Amino acid sequence: SYELTQPPSVSVSPGQTARITCSGDALPKQYAYWYQQKPGQAPVLVIYKDSERPSGIPERFSGSSSGTTVTLTISGVQAEDEADYYCQSADSSGTYEVFGGGTKLTVL
Amino acid sequence: QITLKESGPTLVKPTQTLTLTCTFSGFSLSTSGVGVGWIRQPPGKALEWLALIYWNDDKRYSPSLKSRLTITKDTSKNQVVLTMTNMDPVDTATYYCAHSTNSGTNWFDPWGQGTLVTVSS
Repeated sequence: SYELTQPPSVSVSPGQTARITCSGDALPKQYAYWYQQKPGQAPVLVIYKDSERPSGIPERFSGSSSGTTVTLTISGVQAEDEADYYCQSADSSGTYEVFGGGTKLTVL
Repeated sequence: QITLKESGPTLVKPTQTLTLTCTFSGFSLSTSGVGVGWIRQPPGKALEWLALIYWNDDKRYSPSLKSRLTITKDTSKNQVVLTMTNMDPVDTATYYCAHSTNSGTNWFDPWGQGTLVTVSS
């Protein structure tokens, strides 16, 4: 079955830029979505359709796509951005949805 | 404002069938492009997509769980029901429902608060 691959962890200091990648063979054909999940809370959508930002999400969150990899970039990371981040997309035919394994962002 | 809330048993025995209800407000499941999805998360583990039902009653299931899942909607009650048969301890997880927008592809926003289901004898 189709899989999306994320690094288990990323660490950055406050004010630096964090980049979290997500790789999958169908990503050139299917949009990717990113969710932020803080401990004990439900996930929150932070990027949709590769690079669009929902209303209410800070401008420091951005998304990009290149081939089989999509990237979530957080510029000027703040302590409140420490969370788990998940990418989501569909298989090549759009039949079912898949989540990546998640990346724990640690703000040092 | 869109809100969703999951309800159902907190404890089920192995081999039993789990029935979860998602009750929502702020949107209609008869509106074109709208759907409701179910996603689960075992303690300390990643999110796993389970199923999705669309405004037109089209249904999609996780290939690995398809034989055990059924998703239905009751538009008049603003509810979506997920049933999962033959529950096992590995199915212990927080189960979320979420509003889905279909614009060629699907995304989930917002999510319900989730409900923890424990499978144990």
